[in-house]
Amino acid sequence: QKEVEQDPGPLSVPEGAIVSLNCTYSNSAFQYFMWYRQYSRKGPELLMYTYSSGNKEDGRFTAQVDKSSKYISLFIRDSQPSDSATYLCAGFSGGYNKLIFGAGTRLAVHP
Amino acid sequence: GAVVSQHPSWVICKSGTSVKIECRSLDFQATTMFWYRQFPKQSLMLMATSNEGSKATYEQGVEKDKFLINHASLTLSTLTVTSAHPEDSSFYICSARNTGGTDTQYFGPGTRLTVL
Repeated sequence: QKEVEQDPGPLSVPEGAIVSLNCTYSNSAFQYFMWYRQYSRKGPELLMYTYSSGNKEDGRFTAQVDKSSKYISLFIRDSQPSDSATYLCAGFSGGYNKLIFGAGTRLAVHP
Repeated sequence: GAVVSQHPSWVICKSGTSVKIECRSLDFQATTMFWYRQFPKQSLMLMATSNEGSKATYEQGVEKDKFLINHASLTLSTLTVTSAHPEDSSFYICSARNTGGTDTQYFGPGTRLTVL
């Protein structure tokens, strides 16, 4: 079992839709959770960073962490074609440990 | 925000030659940097963890003599692909951990290596 599981998609939605991207994880030591966005042939870009359980909102993006069920989510409101990218979730237990990435979900938002 | 640069952004080389890729943290100090490899439509694969002033830690299956890593300063790590072969063609991405901020990783834009 991978430490972080993520459905690779692809996920195709119409412009303006609410997108829900999800990951599950197995490592109880994870304290920090990140979402990265990666456009084709580019490096990943940090979108959201959360510590422990709870919600965090930034513009059209909301990150949600439920440590009791080991479930992390990213919601994108009013999706735009420019949101078309691969979204990677990651967990981190802090200190000198490594970020553990999910496989990434490919999202396509069509006009 | 934290910015990480990579140079070159793309490189084409002949089989058997060595290629050096630089990774720099531009506005923060990074005691730890990471090197990833990514094949088309696949996720990131961690190759090694680079610690300033000490030897890199390589992931299982990664040849340390082929992928030489040097982290001589708090803002620069280099990856040298020695005696490159066509199967080394890939997208190499570095990241740097901002331990002075949120202790998270920021990625460079990547380097596309093509070995002929």
